[in-house]
Amino acid sequence: TQLLEQSPQFLSIQEGENLTVYCNSSSVFSSLQWYRQEPGEGPVLLVTVVTGGEVKKLKRLTFQFGDARKDSSLHITAAQPGDTGLYLCAGEKGGSSNTGKLIFGQGTTLQVKP
Amino acid sequence: ETGVTQSPTHLIKTRGQQVTLRCSSQSGHNTVSWYQQALGQGPQFIFQYYREEENGRGNFPPRFSGLQFPNYSSELNVNALELDDSALYLCASSQAVKTGELFFGEGSRLTVL
Repeated sequence: TQLLEQSPQFLSIQEGENLTVYCNSSSVFSSLQWYRQEPGEGPVLLVTVVTGGEVKKLKRLTFQFGDARKDSSLHITAAQPGDTGLYLCAGEKGGSSNTGKLIFGQGTTLQVKP
Repeated sequence: ETGVTQSPTHLIKTRGQQVTLRCSSQSGHNTVSWYQQALGQGPQFIFQYYREEENGRGNFPPRFSGLQFPNYSSELNVNALELDDSALYLCASSQAVKTGELFFGEGSRLTVL
C-alpha cells in the first residue's frame, strides 16, 4: 500500500508548457517536502511546507499544501529542459524533531523536450 | 562545507553474500538515515541513527543492520543478499534539532546476481 500517491507517474511535455504534479494521501502529515532527483544522483530538497493551505514559490515552481495537510501539488510554469528529472514528494509524520523518517511517493518522471 | 559522501558508488554481489555500504555525513550533522530506492520507485526508509544508536526503523528484516560512529559516519550492512535487494541505497544526514532538511548522498548502486 502506497501511503503517498503521486500522479501522473510519467509526463512528457514540450518546452514552455505548464504542468502540475499531485501528491495525495489519506493520512495527515506534519510536513511535506518535494525533492528533485537526477539520474545517478541523490534527491535534492526543493521545498518544505508545514502549514495547511501554505503556498510557496521557487522561481517558476509553485508548491501548495492542502488545507487538511493530506495532499500537495507542484506546479511548474513554462517548463524548461533543465526541469527534467524525477520529482518526489515525501511526508513526515509525528512531532519528533529528528527528521529522516520520511514516507516518499513513487515519484513523477518529467521529461521536457526542447 | 563537505556534503554527504557514500562508497562504493557501484557494486555487484551474488545471492547469499554480505555487503557493507559506507556514508560520511555532512559537516555539522549528527543524524544519518538510510533509504532503499528500487528502480522506478521512491526511496523506502530503512533506519535512522542518532548519537550512535538506532532511532527508528522501517519495514526491513533484521539482516539489514547499521552502525554509526563517533564522527557520525555510518555503515549499512546487509547479510544473506537476495535478488530483490538490488537497488540504490541512499544515505541522508540532518541536524537533529532542525526539522525537514535531509541532505542526500549520491547513493550506492547494488546489483545482486
